This record gives sequence, C-alpha cells and structure tokens, in this order.
Amino acid sequence: GDSVTQTEGLVTLTEGLPVMLNCTYQSTYSPFLFWYVQHLNEAPKLLLKSFTDNKRPEHQGFHATLHKSSSSFHLQKSSAQLSDSALYYCALSDRGQGGSAKLIFGEGTKLTVSS
Amino acid sequence: EAAVTQSPRNKVTVTGGNVTLSCRQTNSHNYMYWYRQDTGHGLRLIHYSYGAGNLQIGDVPDGYKATRTTQEDFFLLLELASPSQTSLYFCASSDLRGANYAEQFFGPGTRLTVL
Repeated sequence: GDSVTQTEGLVTLTEGLPVMLNCTYQSTYSPFLFWYVQHLNEAPKLLLKSFTDNKRPEHQGFHATLHKSSSSFHLQKSSAQLSDSALYYCALSDRGQGGSAKLIFGEGTKLTVSS
Repeated sequence: EAAVTQSPRNKVTVTGGNVTLSCRQTNSHNYMYWYRQDTGHGLRLIHYSYGAGNLQIGDVPDGYKATRTTQEDFFLLLELASPSQTSLYFCASSDLRGANYAEQFFGPGTRLTVL
C-alpha cells in the first residue's frame, strides 16, 4: 500500500545552516505530495505542495522538488531561522483514486534550530 | 478564509466515562477527518467521512465511534474512555476540487485527558 517515510525523527541545527528534511514515498499512482508544519501548541498547516506541472513549490524560504525517479520530496531551505523550529510532516494523496481523499502522513521530523 | 473549529479545547474525564468531541467546518468541504496525535506516533487517522451520514474506518478506530450529522458537523465519541485515549485530537476537512485539491485544513485541536 501507499506509504511515506521520514527517516529523521529529530534534526538539530544552528541558525544560518541549510535545512534538508527527507521524505520518500511509495504510491501505486502518481501522487500529490505535501509538507505540513506544526509549531508548538498549534495545528498542522500546509507549508507547500507539489504541482502537476512539476514547478518547484516554494514558501517562506522553503522549497521541495518532486523526484519521481527516486520517489522523493525532500524539504530544503538555504538558511535556518530560529522560527523554523517546529514539527514537519510529509504527506501524500493518491489523487483520489478509488474515491478516497485520505492523506498518508509520515511520522514527522522535529526540527530544532538554536542560536 | 477556511475555518475548522473544535470543542471543547480541553477535556478531562475518568476511566469509563463518556466523551463527545465536536468539529465544525465552514469550508463547504465534503471530507472530514479525526486524528489523534501522540509523541512518537505522529498523526494517526481514527475515522473519516465523505458526507453527511457517511463514515469510513481509519487506521486506529478501536474504542472510537464517529458520526457525521451534516456537511458541517463531525463528532467523535468515546463511550468507555480509557487512559490510552489520552491524546491531542485534531479534526480536519478537505475536498477534491479546485486549487486546494486534497489539502487538509486542521482545527485547533482538543486535548483529552482520561484519568
């Protein structure tokens, strides 16, 4: 079945260093991929999502590239900020195949940025 | 602005107690979801629905019932609460139309403690 794997449970960085959070997936179809961010005591909210035309989505300095050959959608940012400290979830949608709108979530990566 | 609200925001009950968590969305979305979030487990889908009167089983349904009374309202019922159900519960809504295809919008969460 469909699945999402986030290999790092915890990533700790110093402010100013680059961020890369890994996400790989398995899907029967060609899915949409999402990154959600959840700050402390808040709800998850969408950070960015893949496009059907293969444009690279960007938001708040973060970007992700969908690589179908390697089934990956890694999240990147050139320079980490203290405010980036949060829990990040990668998720996929199977494009509603079979009528389901479910998202398959990875287990999340907690990013901690220190000064 | 899409809106998902939950009530109560905090709830304390005793083992064996009866609890109902409420969720309302004003997004005109067809799909609604209940998740629980626990440290080390990420977001886990309990139940979801694609319309009034419909209910689909999620990944961790044991001990939970749900009911979708209208397009706007989705309820999660714990009829014999147990300490293992102590968790943070999120409701979300989504649809498979338009620019927000498959994107889930989350409510603020309900923190449930079962003593």
